[in-house]
Amino acid sequence: KAGVTQTPRYLIKTRGQQVTLSCSPISGHRSVSWYQQTPGQGLQFLFEYFSETQRNKGNFPGRFSGRQFSNSRSEMNVSTLELGDSALYLCASRRAGGPEAFFGQGTRLTVV
Amino acid sequence: GENVEQHPSTLSVQEGDSAVIKCTYSDSASNYFPWYKQELGKGPQLIIDIRSNVGEKKDQRIAVTLNKTAKHFSLHITETQPEDSAVYFCAASKETGGFKTIFGAGTRLFVKA
Repeated sequence: KAGVTQTPRYLIKTRGQQVTLSCSPISGHRSVSWYQQTPGQGLQFLFEYFSETQRNKGNFPGRFSGRQFSNSRSEMNVSTLELGDSALYLCASRRAGGPEAFFGQGTRLTVV
Repeated sequence: GENVEQHPSTLSVQEGDSAVIKCTYSDSASNYFPWYKQELGKGPQLIIDIRSNVGEKKDQRIAVTLNKTAKHFSLHITETQPEDSAVYFCAASKETGGFKTIFGAGTRLFVKA
């Protein structure tokens, strides 16, 4: 069974640009959560999607948004990039009703 | 606010020794406590978890204990090996329509051969 797949693995963007990251969950998993990981702040929750609906949201500005498609794949978008957005962005998938979350390898975003 | 405190931030042990990482959570509604291992360049990997109706769980060299009254939970790794070297995260999770999960800051474990 394939794990959680995140693309791309690495991205370099310029301040002010926008970026879209993609996450394909484990087959059969319908919940996708996104996290930002930085050395200073650790793992911080961005949002969770289930059946194409956002059902939980962390404390991030509106520049961070996401969506989920009918096949459970999810995308995360960050607009007007700032230097502080440089981080490892992780997504995790869960099966319906299960608490166990399985992470992808992450997308390393560098904003210059 | 809700938080999870994790100690120590760095732990160095000799191969074959035991390692213990401790976490404290603040939200009494938390009922699921996973532990993750993150190696360099990889995403966190779920290694063991415990639910609030259980006090202890063991899986080979890894065990987790939970004290709900004190809001403490701990990870115990016995007979450590160099490949156990990684960053370990604890987390506390509660169901809120989905699952809201708060992570500890992580413990960098070094196992010296």
